[in-house]
Amino acid sequence: GDSVTQMEGPVTLSEEAFLTINCTYTATGYPSLFWYVQYPGEGLQLLLKATKADDKGSNKGFEATYRKETTSFHLEKGSVQVSDSAVYFCALSDQGYSSASKIIFGSGTRLSIRP
Amino acid sequence: SAVISQKPSRDICQRGTSLTIQCQVDSQVTMMFWYRQQPGQSLTLIATANQGSEATYESGFVIDKFPISRPNLTFSTLTVSNMSPEDSSIYLCSVFTDGNTIYFGEGSWLTVV
Repeated sequence: GDSVTQMEGPVTLSEEAFLTINCTYTATGYPSLFWYVQYPGEGLQLLLKATKADDKGSNKGFEATYRKETTSFHLEKGSVQVSDSAVYFCALSDQGYSSASKIIFGSGTRLSIRP
Repeated sequence: SAVISQKPSRDICQRGTSLTIQCQVDSQVTMMFWYRQQPGQSLTLIATANQGSEATYESGFVIDKFPISRPNLTFSTLTVSNMSPEDSSIYLCSVFTDGNTIYFGEGSWLTVV
């Protein structure tokens, strides 16, 4: 079945460091890919998405490119801030099937940024 | 996008009792989903709720434990029945909308004592 594998955390970086959180997927159809963020004590927010190969999703300085050849959707940010400390979830929804598509989440990566 | 409101946002419940969580969406949607997030874990899909039909449950979840209602295209409820401490989790309502994107409510944080 479909699955998402994320880089294990926790990840601790200093402010202004470069961030990469790896995400790879397996899917039998043509999935859409997402990054969600969960700030401490809050629910999930959609951070960015990409719906087809070579698309780049971007938001709040974060970027991720849909790489079909490597089945990856790595999250990057050039200069992280303390306010980026959160748990990040990579996810996919397989739109290759019927309207019964659902979203599958990775295990989440906790990111902590030191001032 | 969609704005999703959940009630209650937090609750502390006694073992053996049941609690119903409400989910209200600001637009009509066909598919609504209920997820559980246990402490420090990722999200697990409980069931998919379509208006006018019975909910479809994922492996490991049953209707007797998690009955779901979907009376119209903007509202759903999830009941957590006969609660035990293992049910302490965040329960999240979500909807499928434009561009094949899922949006989440803020979650209902349940602690069972």
